[in-house]
Amino acid sequence: DGGITQSPKYLFRKEGQNVTLSCEQNLNHDAMYWYRQDPGQGLRLIYYSQIVNDFQKGDIAEGYSVSREKKESFPLTVTSAQKNPTAFYLCASSLRLGWNTGELFFGEGSRLTVL
Amino acid sequence: DQQVKQNSPSLSVQEGRISILNCDYTNSMFDYFLWYKKYPAEGPTFLISISSIKDKNEDGRFTVFLNKSAKHLSLHIVPSQPGDSAVYFCAACETQGAQKLVFGQGTRLTINP
Repeated sequence: DGGITQSPKYLFRKEGQNVTLSCEQNLNHDAMYWYRQDPGQGLRLIYYSQIVNDFQKGDIAEGYSVSREKKESFPLTVTSAQKNPTAFYLCASSLRLGWNTGELFFGEGSRLTVL
Repeated sequence: DQQVKQNSPSLSVQEGRISILNCDYTNSMFDYFLWYKKYPAEGPTFLISISSIKDKNEDGRFTVFLNKSAKHLSLHIVPSQPGDSAVYFCAACETQGAQKLVFGQGTRLTINP
């Protein structure tokens, strides 16, 4: 089955700890994205990557880092610098970045809770 | 600044009736619009889209209307079914510009039997 797999589904973290969320896709998509969902604020773009070894900051990149060493993988690290990390994180992919591929395919999400 | 706004956080509709979800945008450069549906603890799934060269796009029970002069779009679901109960996100894209999707806050639709 083709799709996007995020892990873990639920994650708890102590303040001051870094945590990495995994995102893997087997759709052969070039572009991958990380979004954050908070109540009443919709989905906000954290980082995106158009191609391997390249990524760009989104609207709320502070306190996050990413890597794109493989086409299939786009892990997100939530660092201790992120002031309010408790949220639902969504990974997505599209065939490529561009208007005619505006349709994104999403993973099931990872809920991070900072204790 | 919220470029895409869904001003109704929730909507309740009786089964069989029409559901109308609204979305407003401020960026006149947006020219491609999408609706996503999201169930709890799952990722959003694509529902329907419309290009700015059209004012209507229909797919089964779902129709999206675009009013460019008012910078407004709406999603009509008719007839509404219990399985339509979900959060609906409106999204917009500049096809000649940033090419990234900008999402609204979402509207929680509840279909009552």
